[in-house]
Amino acid sequence: NAGVTQTPKFQVLKTGQSMTLQCAQDMNHNSMYWYRQDPGMGLRLIYYSASEGTTDKGEVPNGYNVSRLNKREFSLRLESAAPSQTSVYFCASSYGTDNNSPLHFGNGTRLTVT
Amino acid sequence: QKEVEQNSGPLSVPEGAIASLNCTYSDRGSQSFFWYRQYSGKSPELIMFIYSNGDKEDGRFTAQLNKASQYVSLLIRDSQPSDSATYLCAVGGGSARQLTFGSGTQLTVLP
Repeated sequence: NAGVTQTPKFQVLKTGQSMTLQCAQDMNHNSMYWYRQDPGMGLRLIYYSASEGTTDKGEVPNGYNVSRLNKREFSLRLESAAPSQTSVYFCASSYGTDNNSPLHFGNGTRLTVT
Repeated sequence: QKEVEQNSGPLSVPEGAIASLNCTYSDRGSQSFFWYRQYSGKSPELIMFIYSNGDKEDGRFTAQLNKASQYVSLLIRDSQPSDSATYLCAVGGGSARQLTFGSGTQLTVLP
C-alpha cells in the first residue's frame, strides 16, 4: 500500500519553463490537495479537489493549474516557472470531502527555479 | 491575527521529560484538530487527532482540547531524541473551506 505517491522528487527549472507535478493515491480517498511549504511560511494550500471532477483555488493559486484526472490522480502544472515558485510541494489526500478529515501527505517535490 | 497560532520555538527539553506543545485558534466553529510531526526534509505525518473536549491519549502522546478557551495542546511523555521534529497543528470544521495549519513548533529533545 503506497499511500500518496509524488513524482518527481527533485526538479530544477529555468525561469519560463513549464512542468507538471504528478500525484497519485491508492487509498480510495475522495479529496486531494496541493500545498507548498516555504521556510517561515508554513504549509499553504495552492489548489484542492474535493471530489473527482471538481477543483478549487486555495490560498496561493496564482501561477498554477491543476487537473483531477480521475479519483486517484491530481496533477499540478506550472506553465511558466518563476523563481518565486522555488519551494517544496506536497500532495495530500483525505477520505472526506469536508474540512474535518485528516490529510495524508506524499513525500514531496523539491523544486528550484533559477 | 493568524487563524492558527503556534509558538515557533525552538523548544528544547531533556530526554525523558514531558514536552508540551500549544496551539490556539480563532474560529469558534472549529470542530476537528490534528497534530502532525515533520522531520527535517520529510513530509508531515499525522500523529494525533481530537474532536471532543478533554484528553485523548495514544501511547506517549496526549492531545488536549479546550474549545471554550480555543486551544489544543500536545503532550509528549518520556521525550526521546527521535521526537525532535517540527510539530504542526491543523484545525478544521470552521468557516474555512479546508484545514488551516499553524506554522509549527520546532522541538529538540536533548540526550
